[in-house]
Amino acid sequence: AQSVAQPEDQVNVAEGNPLTVKCTYSVSGNPYLFWYVQYPNRGLQFLLKYITGDNLVKGSYGFEAEFNKSQTSFHLKKPSALVSDSALYFCAVRDENSGNTPLVFGKGTRLSVIA
Amino acid sequence: DGGITQSPKYLFRKEGQNVTLSCEQNLNHDAMYWYRQDPGQGLRLIYYSQIVNDFQKGDIAEGYSVSREKKESFPLTVTSAQKNPTAFYLCASNQGASSTDTQYFGPGTRLTVL
Repeated sequence: AQSVAQPEDQVNVAEGNPLTVKCTYSVSGNPYLFWYVQYPNRGLQFLLKYITGDNLVKGSYGFEAEFNKSQTSFHLKKPSALVSDSALYFCAVRDENSGNTPLVFGKGTRLSVIA
Repeated sequence: DGGITQSPKYLFRKEGQNVTLSCEQNLNHDAMYWYRQDPGQGLRLIYYSQIVNDFQKGDIAEGYSVSREKKESFPLTVTSAQKNPTAFYLCASNQGASSTDTQYFGPGTRLTVL
C-alpha cells in the first residue's frame, strides 16, 4: 500500500527566513513524489515532482524539494519565505509499479509566513 | 487551473435533492478524478476514470455517481443518499499514459446543503 505523512498540520515562519515543509512516504517500489500548493477556495497547483535522477528538484515560485531515499522523505524547501507563500501544501506519491493510478495525498500542511 | 473547468463555483442544495457538478478538460487527458476536501482531512478520492465509458470507485464513493461518456467530461452527481455532502469538490486529470504523470486540478466547486 502507498501512503504519505505530513507530520505538521501547521508551520509558521518569519518572512525572509528559510522554510521547510516535511513529507515522508511509504511505497513498495520506487516512489514518484509530488508537491502541490492550494490557496483559499482554489484548486491545487502543481509545484514540482521527483521521478529519478538528481535528489534536489527545483520547481515553481522558488521552491525546491530534496528526495532522501534512506529516510523515505521528500521535504519542500524555500531559502527565503514570502508572505504570499502562505497557503496549504500537499505532498503526494505514486508507486512506480502502480501504473496510472490516482496519486495518494497527505493531509496537508498549512504554512503561515509572518511579516 | 488552466485547462480544467468546474461549474458552478458555488452550489446550494436542499436536503433530499440530487445535484450534478460539472468537470470539463481540454487537455486531451485520458484519466479524470473526483476528490472531496473537508477541513483537516486532506483530499479523499470519490471516483476516477482511466478511459471513456469506464470508471472505478475511490475511497468514499457511497452516495455519489459518475459517468464518462466523453473524454473531456466527467460529471459527478451527489445523491440524496450522501449523508453529509457539504464540502469542497475538486476535479483533476492527467494524461493517463504513465505512473510519472502529473495530476492537474480544476478550481473546485463548493457545495453547501441548506
